[in-house]
Amino acid sequence: QKEVEQDPGPLSVPEGAIVSLNCTYSNSAFQYFMWYRQYSRKGPELLMYTYSSGNKEDGRFTAQVDKSSKYISLFIRDSQPSDSATYLCAPRDTGFQKLVFGTGTRLLVSP
Amino acid sequence: DGGITQSPKYLFRKEGQNVTLSCEQNLNHDAMYWYRQDPGQGLRLIYYSQIVNDFQKGDIAEGYSVSREKKESFPLTVTSAQKNPTAFYLCASSLGLANEQFFGPGTRLTVL
Repeated sequence: QKEVEQDPGPLSVPEGAIVSLNCTYSNSAFQYFMWYRQYSRKGPELLMYTYSSGNKEDGRFTAQVDKSSKYISLFIRDSQPSDSATYLCAPRDTGFQKLVFGTGTRLLVSP
Repeated sequence: DGGITQSPKYLFRKEGQNVTLSCEQNLNHDAMYWYRQDPGQGLRLIYYSQIVNDFQKGDIAEGYSVSREKKESFPLTVTSAQKNPTAFYLCASSLGLANEQFFGPGTRLTVL
């Protein structure tokens, strides 16, 4: 079993839809949960990160962590064609433990 | 503008040749990292460095070497010992090892 699992997609939605992107993980020691967005042939850019369980909101993006079920979600409201990218979740332990990346979910938002 | 630069963007090499990928950052970050990205797989850590003149192996260090002679530079050499070198290589940096990582634009290496 992989430490972090993500559905590779693609997930296709119309502009304006609410998007839900998800990851599951197996390591209960993970405390920090990052979301990166990666456009085609570019480096990943950090979108959001959360510590432990709970929600964090930033504009149209909301990150949610449920440690009891080891489930991480990223919600995008009012999705735009410019949101079309691959979204990578990357949890890690405290201190320096390496980021463990999921394979990413490819999102396509059509106008 | 502060950021991370990687050069070149695309690199072609013949099998059996060593090749060095450049990574420079002007963010004054202490920690730097090299990752490899392959289709259908998550990013995998090759090497990381916490401070100048210090670096550690990641999960897939075999066939790679690094140096950290300056704070802003962390070049990666892909040696002929790396069995499957064709991939997208990403450099990242962070303030410290426990801080969030920021990525460069990547170098796509193709070995013919």
